[in-house]
Amino acid sequence: NAGVTQTPKFRVLKTGQSMTLLCAQDMNHEYMYWYRQDPGMGLRLIHYSVGEGTTAKGEVPDGYNVSRLKKQNFLLGLESAAPSQTSVYFCASSWVAGNEQFFGPGTRLTVL
Amino acid sequence: RKEVEQDPGPFNVPEGATVAFNCTYSNSASQSFFWYRQDCRKEPKLLMSVYSSGNEDGRFTAQLNRASQYISLLIRDSKLSDSATYLCVVNNDMRFGAGTRLTVKP
Repeated sequence: NAGVTQTPKFRVLKTGQSMTLLCAQDMNHEYMYWYRQDPGMGLRLIHYSVGEGTTAKGEVPDGYNVSRLKKQNFLLGLESAAPSQTSVYFCASSWVAGNEQFFGPGTRLTVL
Repeated sequence: RKEVEQDPGPFNVPEGATVAFNCTYSNSASQSFFWYRQDCRKEPKLLMSVYSSGNEDGRFTAQLNRASQYISLLIRDSKLSDSATYLCVVNNDMRFGAGTRLTVKP
């Protein structure tokens, strides 16, 4: 059981470049989440999904898009990266809302 | 007022000390609450859920005060290995506090 995995672990982008972060979970969870964590700000929800084929905006969705084509995968896209998107990105999953969330190891993204 | 607020610390305590953290929340309709632990450069991991009646797990006790809208975490007999950042979560809103950093010193 791998739990929640994220790829890549590290990435450096130039302003304006695009990329996709992949999150995968093998626990058959319905809910999946993307957070960003910045110093002093805690974890902030970017987007989340309550099931395959669904997505919803979180607290800080601007500049990001997501897709949940398969239940086990949740993709986070940056179409045109900006330095303000330099952060650590965590993916998480849970059975339902209000349950324990299981986190992936994170992706450290730097935008120059 | 932030939706979920925590004292950022840092709390620096000696081994064996008792330390308590509070976390206030603004949404009175919130139903589920958790404490997570996050080690440096790692992902958050669940420490314990917070039930209305309070709950205890070894040296850790979590309590909920709905009237004043806060949850608390008490750590007794602190160990060096307790050094970490402790995050509170109000799960209905998927809101995390910014975290309280604890350092336990010999």
